[in-house]
Amino acid sequence: DTGVSQNPRHKITKRGQNVTFRCDPISEHNRLYWYRQTLGQGPEFLTYFQNEAQLEKSRLLSDRFSAERPKGSFSTLEIQRTEQGDSAMYLCASSFSGGATDTQYFGPGTRLTVL
Amino acid sequence: GQQLNQSPQSMFIQEGEDVSMNCTSSSIFNTWLWYKQDPGEGPVLLIALYKAGELTSNGRLTAQFGITRKDSFLNISASIPSDVGIYFCAGFLGDKIIFGKGTRLHILP
Repeated sequence: DTGVSQNPRHKITKRGQNVTFRCDPISEHNRLYWYRQTLGQGPEFLTYFQNEAQLEKSRLLSDRFSAERPKGSFSTLEIQRTEQGDSAMYLCASSFSGGATDTQYFGPGTRLTVL
Repeated sequence: GQQLNQSPQSMFIQEGEDVSMNCTSSSIFNTWLWYKQDPGEGPVLLIALYKAGELTSNGRLTAQFGITRKDSFLNISASIPSDVGIYFCAGFLGDKIIFGKGTRLHILP
């Protein structure tokens, strides 16, 4: 297994367009997390799944954002009607809960630029 | 909400020097994490600390979990060029991770 993968790595879109990002976690991991990182800041939690269930959503996740993990494996994050303030790096992480530790492993991120 | 305060914000050092950075919180954390992030990449876990007072090493890196559970430090000995990057402290809040704003490490030629 090569770790957490994210696609695309970069996305440039015009304001008002919809975008969708994909995350493929480490295969045996049951938890999947989405974070957002803006310039000069650390990553900020958006939402997470345990298997296919979305267990927590941050207030940062406005109505224009929706995340899914339909089969408990890969996840998608969709942003509708993008705004310039949505420009950021979107990071996905995965972990296995139930072990001695719940270490989260991050993917390389998708950098979104909204023009 | 809970915040992690990292210092310094940035550091400029000579190759071969030792580095020390720290992280404080107004609230207690039960786990402290140190991540490194290279440009255009996701954070990579360096060290995880689970017990107050714990001192853990990973190669040239050493981190300690403060006794009060409100602080942690990371030391890097004999810095090399590939140490350049942003170092984040982080802690678990429930099942999610809260990150500091990072310490950016620069190594002068």
